[in-house]
Amino acid sequence: NAGVTQTPKFQVLKTGQSMTLQCAQDMNHEYMSWYRQDPGMGLRLIHYSVGAGITDQGEVPNGYNVSRSTTEDFPLRLLSAAPSQTSVYFCASSSRGELFFGEGSRLTVL
Amino acid sequence: RKEVEQDPGPFNVPEGATVAFNCTYSNSASQSFFWYRQDCRKEPKLLMSVYSSGNEDGRFTAQLNRASQYISLLIRDSKLSDSATYLCVVSEAGGFKTIFGAGTRLFVKA
Repeated sequence: NAGVTQTPKFQVLKTGQSMTLQCAQDMNHEYMSWYRQDPGMGLRLIHYSVGAGITDQGEVPNGYNVSRSTTEDFPLRLLSAAPSQTSVYFCASSSRGELFFGEGSRLTVL
Repeated sequence: RKEVEQDPGPFNVPEGATVAFNCTYSNSASQSFFWYRQDCRKEPKLLMSVYSSGNEDGRFTAQLNRASQYISLLIRDSKLSDSATYLCVVSEAGGFKTIFGAGTRLFVKA
């Protein structure tokens, strides 16, 4: 049972580099979202999608792009990484309320 | 003001104690309410949904007061395995745009 799969689990970037965090779910959920978690801050919503072709901004969208071309995939792109984007990133999907999370991607920007 | 605010932690309690967590939310249009549990360096997982009528799951009881925009979680007979961070979660209609509180850390000691 795959559920929500995130890759990579760990990544180190230099300031200014770009990269994509991948997220895939096999539960046919319409809703998907990306969060970042920093010490003492809880999970903050970056972007979310209510279905293929539809995305919207969350609490902290700056510096991140998303797209939703299929129901299964919801990649998160960092356009020009900054040290402030050092964090743990979680992808989640949902059908009716309960969120199912991936195991997280730990990103360090030097 | 944060959309979802929780008791600051950590809570340190002995085994067998009863502990209560509180949470307030600011968006009166919020429709769905949850408590999630997160173990250290792991993804959050649903503990229980919260309903206006109150609901109980074993040692855990959750309450919602829509008029006061207040959510609570009561844990009775605490176990060592209850040590974790408890996250208060609020969603808009349809379960979309889900916002997390910063979490309250619980330590249960023998």
